Amino acid sequence: KAGVTQTPRYLIKTRGQQVTLSCSPISGHRSVSWYQQTPGQGLQFLFEYFSETQRNKGNFPGRFSGRQFSNSRSEMNVSTLELGDSALYLCASRKAGQSREQYFGPGTRLTVT
Amino acid sequence: TQLLEQSPQFLSIQEGENLTVYCNSSSVFSSLQWYRQEPGEGPVLLVTVVTGGEVKKLKRLTFQFGDARKDSSLHITAAQPGDTGLYLCAGVSRAGGTSYGKLTFGQGTILTVHP
Repeated sequence: KAGVTQTPRYLIKTRGQQVTLSCSPISGHRSVSWYQQTPGQGLQFLFEYFSETQRNKGNFPGRFSGRQFSNSRSEMNVSTLELGDSALYLCASRKAGQSREQYFGPGTRLTVT
Repeated sequence: TQLLEQSPQFLSIQEGENLTVYCNSSSVFSSLQWYRQEPGEGPVLLVTVVTGGEVKKLKRLTFQFGDARKDSSLHITAAQPGDTGLYLCAGVSRAGGTSYGKLTFGQGTILTVHP
Protein backbone atom coordinates (compact mmCIF):
# COMPACT_ATOMS: atom_id res chain seq x y z
CA LYS A 1 0.00 0.00 0.00
CA ALA A 2 1.52 3.33 -1.03
CA GLY A 3 2.17 5.82 1.75
CA VAL A 4 1.31 9.49 2.00
CA THR A 5 2.96 11.49 -0.74
CA GLN A 6 3.72 15.19 -0.70
CA THR A 7 4.81 17.42 -3.55
CA PRO A 8 7.03 19.19 -4.01
CA ARG A 9 9.61 17.99 -1.50
CA TYR A 10 11.56 21.23 -1.56
CA LEU A 11 10.55 24.76 -2.42
CA ILE A 12 12.27 28.14 -2.32
CA LYS A 13 10.10 31.25 -2.48
CA THR A 14 10.54 34.97 -1.97
CA ARG A 15 8.81 37.07 0.65
CA GLY A 16 5.40 38.25 -0.53
CA GLN A 17 4.85 35.34 -2.92
CA GLN A 18 2.30 32.62 -2.42
CA VAL A 19 2.77 28.86 -2.46
CA THR A 20 0.61 25.75 -2.87
CA LEU A 21 1.59 22.41 -1.40
CA SER A 22 -0.03 19.11 -2.30
CA CYS A 23 -0.76 15.97 -0.30
CA SER A 24 -2.07 12.60 -1.54
CA PRO A 25 -3.32 10.44 1.33
CA ILE A 26 -3.17 6.68 1.64
CA SER A 27 -5.85 5.05 -0.50
CA GLY A 28 -9.07 4.77 1.49
CA HIS A 29 -8.11 7.46 4.00
CA ARG A 30 -10.57 10.33 4.10
CA SER A 31 -9.04 12.65 6.67
CA VAL A 32 -6.01 14.83 5.94
CA SER A 33 -4.33 16.99 8.57
CA TRP A 34 -1.58 19.55 8.00
CA TYR A 35 1.19 20.49 10.43
CA GLN A 36 4.02 23.01 10.42
CA GLN A 37 7.34 21.95 11.94
CA THR A 38 10.01 24.47 12.91
CA PRO A 39 13.03 24.19 15.24
CA GLY A 40 11.61 26.86 17.55
CA GLN A 41 7.93 25.91 17.75
CA GLY A 42 8.07 22.20 17.00
CA LEU A 43 5.10 20.57 15.31
CA GLN A 44 1.98 22.71 15.23
CA PHE A 45 -1.44 21.76 13.89
CA LEU A 46 -2.69 23.84 10.98
CA PHE A 47 -6.01 22.27 9.95
CA GLU A 48 -7.82 19.03 9.19
CA TYR A 49 -10.02 18.24 6.23
CA PHE A 50 -12.59 15.49 6.00
CA SER A 51 -15.02 14.94 3.14
CA GLU A 52 -13.92 18.20 1.51
CA THR A 53 -14.77 20.20 4.66
CA GLN A 54 -12.45 21.81 7.15
CA ARG A 55 -13.17 20.06 10.44
CA ASN A 56 -10.55 21.50 12.78
CA LYS A 57 -8.36 24.58 12.63
CA GLY A 58 -5.22 25.57 14.51
CA ASN A 59 -4.06 29.03 15.55
CA PHE A 60 -2.57 30.27 12.33
CA PRO A 61 -3.37 33.49 10.44
CA GLY A 62 -5.78 33.55 7.53
CA ARG A 63 -2.84 33.53 5.09
CA PHE A 64 -2.81 29.78 5.64
CA SER A 65 -5.66 28.00 3.90
CA GLY A 66 -6.42 24.60 2.52
CA ARG A 67 -8.88 22.50 0.65
CA GLN A 68 -9.68 18.90 -0.03
CA PHE A 69 -10.90 17.35 -3.23
CA SER A 70 -13.43 14.59 -3.76
CA ASN A 71 -10.62 12.02 -4.09
CA SER A 72 -9.35 13.08 -0.62
CA ARG A 73 -6.23 14.75 -2.02
CA SER A 74 -5.53 17.99 -0.23
CA GLU A 75 -3.71 21.22 -0.90
CA MET A 76 -2.61 23.96 1.41
CA ASN A 77 -1.88 27.49 0.35
CA VAL A 78 0.15 30.18 2.04
CA SER A 79 -0.26 33.70 0.69
CA THR A 80 1.99 36.73 1.21
CA LEU A 81 4.87 34.61 2.44
CA GLU A 82 6.95 35.81 5.38
CA LEU A 83 10.44 34.72 6.42
CA GLY A 84 8.90 33.02 9.46
CA ASP A 85 6.91 30.70 7.21
CA SER A 86 10.09 28.78 6.42
CA ALA A 87 9.39 25.33 7.79
CA LEU A 88 8.76 21.68 7.07
CA TYR A 89 5.09 21.25 6.19
CA LEU A 90 3.78 17.79 6.96
CA CYS A 91 0.50 16.23 6.04
CA ALA A 92 -0.96 13.18 7.69
CA SER A 93 -3.79 10.96 6.58
CA ARG A 94 -6.21 8.96 8.68
CA LYS A 95 -8.95 6.49 7.87
CA ALA A 96 -11.36 8.72 9.81
CA GLY A 97 -14.17 7.46 11.97
CA GLN A 98 -12.83 6.08 15.26
CA SER A 99 -9.35 5.44 13.88
CA ARG A 100 -6.70 7.35 15.87
CA GLU A 101 -3.69 6.43 13.73
CA GLN A 102 -2.24 9.18 11.59
CA TYR A 103 0.26 8.41 8.86
CA PHE A 104 2.62 11.20 7.92
CA GLY A 105 4.15 12.05 4.59
CA PRO A 106 7.82 13.04 4.22
CA GLY A 107 6.96 16.74 4.19
CA THR A 108 7.64 19.73 1.98
CA ARG A 109 10.60 21.85 3.03
CA LEU A 110 9.69 25.50 2.32
CA THR A 111 12.37 28.16 2.45
CA VAL A 112 11.34 31.80 2.22
CA THR A 113 14.09 34.27 1.29
CA THR B 1 -4.62 25.87 24.86
CA GLN B 2 -3.35 22.48 25.92
CA LEU B 3 0.42 22.09 26.10
CA LEU B 4 2.65 19.05 26.30
CA GLU B 5 6.10 19.43 27.84
CA GLN B 6 8.69 16.87 26.92
CA SER B 7 11.91 16.22 28.78
CA PRO B 8 14.73 15.97 28.31
CA GLN B 9 15.17 17.92 25.07
CA PHE B 10 18.43 16.15 24.26
CA LEU B 11 19.74 12.77 25.30
CA SER B 12 23.12 11.38 24.33
CA ILE B 13 23.90 7.90 25.62
CA GLN B 14 26.04 4.84 24.95
CA GLU B 15 24.75 1.67 23.37
CA GLY B 16 23.31 -0.66 26.00
CA GLU B 17 22.13 2.06 28.40
CA ASN B 18 18.52 2.54 29.46
CA LEU B 19 16.64 5.83 29.14
CA THR B 20 13.29 7.41 29.88
CA VAL B 21 11.58 10.30 28.11
CA TYR B 22 8.77 12.16 29.83
CA CYS B 23 5.73 13.96 28.46
CA ASN B 24 3.74 16.10 30.91
CA SER B 25 0.73 18.38 30.84
CA SER B 26 -1.56 20.17 33.25
CA SER B 27 -4.48 19.14 31.02
CA VAL B 28 -6.21 15.82 30.55
CA PHE B 29 -5.86 14.10 27.21
CA SER B 30 -8.22 11.46 25.87
CA SER B 31 -5.26 9.64 24.36
CA LEU B 32 -1.54 10.05 23.82
CA GLN B 33 0.64 8.87 21.00
CA TRP B 34 4.39 8.51 20.61
CA TYR B 35 6.12 9.07 17.29
CA ARG B 36 9.69 8.70 16.07
CA GLN B 37 11.02 10.94 13.32
CA GLU B 38 14.24 10.56 11.37
CA PRO B 39 15.89 13.32 9.32
CA GLY B 40 14.15 13.96 6.03
CA GLU B 41 11.11 11.91 6.95
CA GLY B 42 7.75 12.41 8.59
CA PRO B 43 6.97 11.10 12.08
CA VAL B 44 6.14 7.41 12.35
CA LEU B 45 3.59 6.27 14.92
CA LEU B 46 4.99 3.94 17.60
CA VAL B 47 2.05 3.53 19.94
CA THR B 48 -1.30 4.93 21.09
CA VAL B 49 -2.29 4.80 24.77
CA VAL B 50 -5.89 5.46 25.69
CA THR B 51 -6.65 4.26 29.23
CA GLY B 52 -5.23 5.90 32.36
CA GLY B 53 -2.51 3.68 33.84
CA GLU B 54 -2.12 1.75 30.59
CA VAL B 55 1.27 0.20 29.84
CA LYS B 56 2.24 -0.99 26.37
CA LYS B 57 5.42 -2.75 25.32
CA LEU B 58 6.96 -2.76 21.89
CA LYS B 59 10.10 -4.92 21.98
CA ARG B 60 12.59 -2.86 24.04
CA LEU B 61 10.24 0.15 24.30
CA THR B 62 7.76 0.52 27.17
CA PHE B 63 5.08 3.21 27.09
CA GLN B 64 3.00 4.30 30.06
CA PHE B 65 -0.02 6.59 30.30
CA GLY B 66 -0.47 8.29 33.67
CA ASP B 67 -3.44 7.41 35.84
CA ALA B 68 -4.88 10.91 35.44
CA ARG B 69 -4.18 10.91 31.68
CA LYS B 70 -2.03 14.04 32.00
CA ASP B 71 1.37 12.47 31.46
CA SER B 72 3.16 9.68 29.66
CA SER B 73 6.61 8.15 29.53
CA LEU B 74 8.68 6.20 27.07
CA HIS B 75 11.34 3.86 28.43
CA ILE B 76 13.93 2.24 26.19
CA THR B 77 15.92 -0.70 27.50
CA ALA B 78 19.41 -1.45 26.20
CA ALA B 79 19.39 1.33 23.61
CA GLN B 80 20.90 0.66 20.20
CA PRO B 81 22.31 3.08 17.58
CA GLY B 82 19.24 2.33 15.47
CA ASP B 83 17.09 3.99 18.16
CA THR B 84 18.64 7.35 17.31
CA GLY B 85 16.05 9.91 16.26
CA LEU B 86 13.55 12.53 17.37
CA TYR B 87 10.88 11.18 19.72
CA LEU B 88 7.62 13.08 19.91
CA CYS B 89 4.62 12.72 22.15
CA ALA B 90 1.27 13.93 20.85
CA GLY B 91 -2.09 14.20 22.54
CA VAL B 92 -5.73 14.32 21.53
CA SER B 93 -7.76 16.56 23.80
CA ARG B 94 -11.22 15.05 23.33
CA ALA B 95 -12.49 11.61 22.54
CA GLY B 96 -14.40 11.11 19.33
CA GLY B 97 -13.62 10.72 15.66
CA THR B 98 -13.99 14.43 14.94
CA SER B 99 -11.05 15.20 17.27
CA TYR B 100 -8.56 12.50 16.29
CA GLY B 101 -7.18 14.49 13.38
CA LYS B 102 -5.93 17.31 15.60
CA LEU B 103 -2.80 16.45 17.55
CA THR B 104 -0.98 18.60 20.10
CA PHE B 105 2.72 17.77 20.01
CA GLY B 106 5.44 18.04 22.61
CA GLN B 107 8.69 19.77 21.61
CA GLY B 108 10.43 16.45 21.10
CA THR B 109 13.47 14.65 22.48
CA ILE B 110 16.51 14.21 20.27
CA LEU B 111 18.08 10.88 21.17
CA THR B 112 21.57 9.93 20.06
CA VAL B 113 22.85 6.45 20.85
CA HIS B 114 26.60 6.04 20.37
CA PRO B 115 28.03 2.63 19.44
